[in-house]
Amino acid sequence: EAQVTQNPRYLITVTGKKLTVTCSQNMNHEYMSWYRQDPGLGLRQIYYSMNVEVTDKGDVPEGYKVSRKEKRNFPLILESPSPNQTSLYFCASSPSLLWSEGRRQYFGPGTRLTVL
Amino acid sequence: SQQGEEDPQALSIQEGENATMNCSYKTSINNLQWYRQNSGRGLVHLILIRSNEREKHSGRLRVTLDTSKKSSSLLITASRAADTASYFCATDAGRYALNFGKGTSLLVTP
Repeated sequence: EAQVTQNPRYLITVTGKKLTVTCSQNMNHEYMSWYRQDPGLGLRQIYYSMNVEVTDKGDVPEGYKVSRKEKRNFPLILESPSPNQTSLYFCASSPSLLWSEGRRQYFGPGTRLTVL
Repeated sequence: SQQGEEDPQALSIQEGENATMNCSYKTSINNLQWYRQNSGRGLVHLILIRSNEREKHSGRLRVTLDTSKKSSSLLITASRAADTASYFCATDAGRYALNFGKGTSLLVTP
């Protein structure tokens, strides 16, 4: 089944304890992205990747790192989480970089992170 | 940066009624997409309309796009309880990102 998976789905952690949220897609998509969703703010893009070893900042990259060593995986790293990073995180992928082809995105199920 | 803005923020209707939600945006776009999100879950792509299209249908969904007014509308006909969800418009302005609005929360009661 074509899908985007994220792990863990739920995580409660403490300030300063490094964590990684994994994201994997099995559709051979070039484009992958991370969003966070907060009440009243909608979805905001954190980082995106256009291909292996190519990443760039979105609108709210502070406090996050990403890597894209393989096409299928795009982990989100919080080196020193803080309470303001408590949020619902979504990974997404897209088959095409060409706007003319639509660039619809496929979303993972989300990771609910709480930082105490 | 968020560009799409949905209206209304919340909508409550009865089963069988039509639901209309609107999206306004600020800059020129290549296409506009609508997504649905069931409570706390991932977003699901519903429909895409390109900047050179004015109207598009998919099942019970009808999307219109008015680029002169920088607005789009999503119509769900004959709503069902299962349509209860949040609906987001997302604009593709050519950057490597979609800009999502804050969403319209739709409640369909039996």
